[in-house]
Amino acid sequence: TQLLEQSPQFLSIQEGENLTVYCNSSSVFSSLQWYRQEPGEGPVLLVTVVTGGEVKKLKRLTFQFGDARKDSSLHITAAQPGDTGLYLCAGVASNTGKLIFGQGTTLQVKP
Amino acid sequence: DAEITQSPRHKITETGRQVTLACHQTWNHNNMFWYRQDLGHGLRLIHYSYGVQDTNKGEVSDGYSVSRSNTEDLPLTLESAASSQTSVYFCASSPVVAGVSGTGELFFGEGSRLTVL
Repeated sequence: TQLLEQSPQFLSIQEGENLTVYCNSSSVFSSLQWYRQEPGEGPVLLVTVVTGGEVKKLKRLTFQFGDARKDSSLHITAAQPGDTGLYLCAGVASNTGKLIFGQGTTLQVKP
Repeated sequence: DAEITQSPRHKITETGRQVTLACHQTWNHNNMFWYRQDLGHGLRLIHYSYGVQDTNKGEVSDGYSVSRSNTEDLPLTLESAASSQTSVYFCASSPVVAGVSGTGELFFGEGSRLTVL
């Protein structure tokens, strides 16, 4: 069974702090997506990374795909209350072509 | 604007009853998916369709069925609802299939919260 392990599962921080969320697997992925989900809504795509070592920035959010394409990280600088939500990583497994979701990281940013 | 809508947004039913959750998209996407979301499990794929008359089982398909008679709709039916099927259900669509011809960005509906008593 292919798994994507996200850590931490829950994170509660103060406004202005930095944080990193990790998405790890023993499997290789041809691409990896990060979604954000707000309460009562469906997930919305933030970014897709496709190349090993790739770094993408979206304002205060920095996404990195591991060199071996087995892991990814999401770093948020100076978190704001508007960043609160559930962050999901999802990878396309290279050997099966299936899209697999991690369990999610719930982020709470307190004002 | 194109969108994907789910109905009902909230449903309470009893064990053994048949329930259908509707999903309608105006993106004109061939690919549609049903997921369930439970705490600690992320999103798990129930069924998916790559086009009209095409349906496929996902990793947690037992007790569920889908049909695809047109491009816009993929209703999800619980034949005989069980308490284990209490969950939030998300429908999604995609213009390409992940791993086949692209990275397969998913466009999600707002979810249907189902409670089986």
